[in-house]
Amino acid sequence: NAGVTQTPKFRILKIGQSMTLQCTQDMNHNYMYWYRQDPGMGLKLIYYSVGAGITDKGEVPNGYNVSRSTTEDFPLRLELAAPSQTSVYFCASSPGGTQYFGPGTRLLVL
Amino acid sequence: GIQVEQSPPDLILQEGANSTLRCNFSDSVNNLQWFHQNPWGQLINLFYIPSGTKQNGRLSATTVATERYSLLYISSSQTTDSGVYFCAVDTNRLAFGKGNQVVVIP
Repeated sequence: NAGVTQTPKFRILKIGQSMTLQCTQDMNHNYMYWYRQDPGMGLKLIYYSVGAGITDKGEVPNGYNVSRSTTEDFPLRLELAAPSQTSVYFCASSPGGTQYFGPGTRLLVL
Repeated sequence: GIQVEQSPPDLILQEGANSTLRCNFSDSVNNLQWFHQNPWGQLINLFYIPSGTKQNGRLSATTVATERYSLLYISSSQTTDSGVYFCAVDTNRLAFGKGNQVVVIP
């Protein structure tokens, strides 16, 4: 099993650009999550999904969108990048209980 | 929302020393997890521990849900234990503390 994979590993965006962060898991987990981690801080939940076709907002959803068309994939969309979205983004999946994290995507918005 | 506080925020250990990290939370939770974020940023789950005590090698964790705290013990620390340890509590979704930054020096 590859576990949870994320692409890209690193990206620089200009203000106002859009991009999609990809997340894929091969463990057949129903639950998937997107977090952001700012320097020196813990993780904050952006969006989560309890299964294909079902998504819900977390603590900091503004400026982001998600979709969950399959069990495996949970992409995160940034429509109009802002400097405040500079962060490290982690995707996680879970069968219910323990969460398993991807390696993260570092995003810099200039 | 629920508050999660971890202490101490920073800890420097000599290799071989023991240490205890603490996580306090402000409300009842469904479960609690401890994670280790290594210096390369990778998050590894250590324990899923809503209550009681668990051990995994040199690490062990105890959660006293009725008193709203959890402890992570590191025994005979090694340089590979360096990194940030996060406590995360689950109400309907995970809420993370700010972490314990641990540096183990040889």
